Amino acid sequence: EVQLVESGGGLIQPGGSLRLSCAASGFTVSSDYMSWIRQAPGKGLEWVSVIYSGGNTYYADSVKGRFTISRDNSQNTVYLQMNSLRAEDTAVYYCARVHYSLCGMDVWGQGTTVTVSS
Amino acid sequence: DIVMTQSPDSLAVSLGERATINCKSSQSVLYNNKNYLTWYQQKPGQPPKMLIYWASTRESGVPDRFSGSGSGTDFTLTISSLQAEDVAVYYCQQYYNTPPTFGGGTRVEIK
Repeated sequence: EVQLVESGGGLIQPGGSLRLSCAASGFTVSSDYMSWIRQAPGKGLEWVSVIYSGGNTYYADSVKGRFTISRDNSQNTVYLQMNSLRAEDTAVYYCARVHYSLCGMDVWGQGTTVTVSS
Repeated sequence: DIVMTQSPDSLAVSLGERATINCKSSQSVLYNNKNYLTWYQQKPGQPPKMLIYWASTRESGVPDRFSGSGSGTDFTLTISSLQAEDVAVYYCQQYYNTPPTFGGGTRVEIK
């Protein structure tokens, strides 16, 4: 079964760091494009970052320079390292696989909640 | 960045009736005869679910009452006969270029 399971969320003070993990099963993360998308409480969806199968990475302007996406092929896991966290980073963070059509995301995790607050 | 604008923000439809959601992009998302436009359904407490990609191709397992149409900058998601389980927020998203961007969402409820 194709599945994504996120972990690593929690309550963190402004300026702090967190690393989110996304463990995949049923497919190989290194063969696909993998994204992080977030959703602030009661709000819509915001794309955060993507890592391509070739290793190229891209970020939303709102997180560029603060967040880093990476993957561990041996663990079949994708990560999101989040530094210098701000209150506006508070959201549910979803990991998702980019569909073969390169048009959208077809497999999503259940999400992990990040709350940035003092 | 490409701006995606959905309308309406919400709509209430009777069971068995048609629901229509519109999505407009600030520039064309057509490339090589394919529109890089995806529709998602999100139910409360759940992650989004891909319904339609390339503007009109139904994802595997999605009921045929869901259909997508449009090209270039104007797109529509139609639910031909609303069922109770279709109550959700629907989002469009473009992946013509990076960053991929989402519409603001349309909440569909039962009248």
